[in-house]
Amino acid sequence: DTEVTQTPKHLVMGMTNKKSLKCEQHMGHRAMYWYKQKAKKPPELMFVYSYEKLSINESVPSRFSPECPNSSLLNLHLHALQPEDSALYLCASSQNRAGSQPQHFGDGTRLSIL
Amino acid sequence: QKEVEQDPGPLSVPEGAIVSLNCTYSNSAFQYFMWYRQYSRKGPELLMYTYSSGNKEDGRFTAQVDKSSKYISLFIRDSQPSDSATYLCAMSAKGFQKLVFGTGTRLLVSP
Repeated sequence: DTEVTQTPKHLVMGMTNKKSLKCEQHMGHRAMYWYKQKAKKPPELMFVYSYEKLSINESVPSRFSPECPNSSLLNLHLHALQPEDSALYLCASSQNRAGSQPQHFGDGTRLSIL
Repeated sequence: QKEVEQDPGPLSVPEGAIVSLNCTYSNSAFQYFMWYRQYSRKGPELLMYTYSSGNKEDGRFTAQVDKSSKYISLFIRDSQPSDSATYLCAMSAKGFQKLVFGTGTRLLVSP
């Protein structure tokens, strides 16, 4: 079992739906990340939060909206997604955002856009 | 040229073999090196974390870093079918907020 918990594990949504992905960690980490992973590819960074503040947005389309309500929780709000957004969405956390700290991943949410 | 190069495989070995997985990189600033194992439909699991050059051993796994050659390796001794997975190398530097990943190597260990 991973120490980063993501819900739901699977999500199927239409292009007009609004849904949210959730991530929780209880390791006391102060940096949290959202990644997108396509089949047979490495994870691609989307967002970095450090001490609950958005630190990096990798030019992600506005149909993806991150939120960090507190140091343990990270949400990704989805709206008007496109079929090419179908992927595994991974959450990760690390002690802080410094490159010296390894990141710990959850098992992801597998998202399918109809 | 990609910042981190990793052979995608698949690498097929018989059970009990010693497996060598490798990554090369171009950015000499990298000093923190990680190996992740990812099973199908799961997230990446941190296997090994090393700083700068040298070796680190954990059970059947040994990570090696050669900064002078910009080359890192993961060795798996006495490989098991349960080791069949994709192995991702990742690296970073002081002040970086991002990990730079290799493409991943798919390993198949047959009984």
